[in-house]
Amino acid sequence: QVQLQESGPGLVKPSETLSLTCTVSGGSLRSYYWSWVRQPPQRAMEWIGYSFDGGSTNYNPSLKSRASISIDTSKNQVSLKLTSVTAADTAVYYCARAMTTGGWFGPWGQGTLVTVSS
Amino acid sequence: QSALTQPASVSGSPGQSITISCTGTSSDVGNYNLVSWYQQHPGKAPKVLISEVTKRPSGVSNRFSGSKFGNTASLTISGLQAEDEADYYCCSYAGSATWLFGGGTNLTVL
Repeated sequence: QVQLQESGPGLVKPSETLSLTCTVSGGSLRSYYWSWVRQPPQRAMEWIGYSFDGGSTNYNPSLKSRASISIDTSKNQVSLKLTSVTAADTAVYYCARAMTTGGWFGPWGQGTLVTVSS
Repeated sequence: QSALTQPASVSGSPGQSITISCTGTSSDVGNYNLVSWYQQHPGKAPKVLISEVTKRPSGVSNRFSGSKFGNTASLTISGLQAEDEADYYCCSYAGSATWLFGGGTNLTVL
């Protein structure tokens, strides 16, 4: 059974870079779309982007210039970096797996809350 | 890209059926049969209920069903149970290898 666990700092200062890691256990990272999704307080869920097979990536146009997703197959980890954060980036961040472009997400990690504040 | 539109809240009594709508545009919901629905209990990870508009992944109760007409997808829960009280989110493929989520609907079982 594949399980995902997000980790990273819970507090990031404005203008700095948010860095999160998703550790995948019980399965391979190969041939899946590994996505990050965030859920700001009282706002809609937002798809951030994906990395596929450790090669191709794609991002939400609203975040494209700030988000970066990478895969480390040796550690079975998916990483997210989001630069120049503001309070609007405060959210619970989830990693999730999709099998195809446009496919459904599952499983998901438990999520990790990141607060942007000085 | 704007979030898909869902009602903020719905409610129903045990045993009843409720339907949650998810309205997008001809560029997302209306253009692809790639709408999925998720259930999320407080503090928990989302769990998929419906994929590709109408399909139920293995292990999902047949009390959950999905449909689509035009730019609006719907999730119906029949035989409401107390454990169905949760937040529900729709998600649609939006082209160019991107996904779009709805704002979420809070379901209260009276």
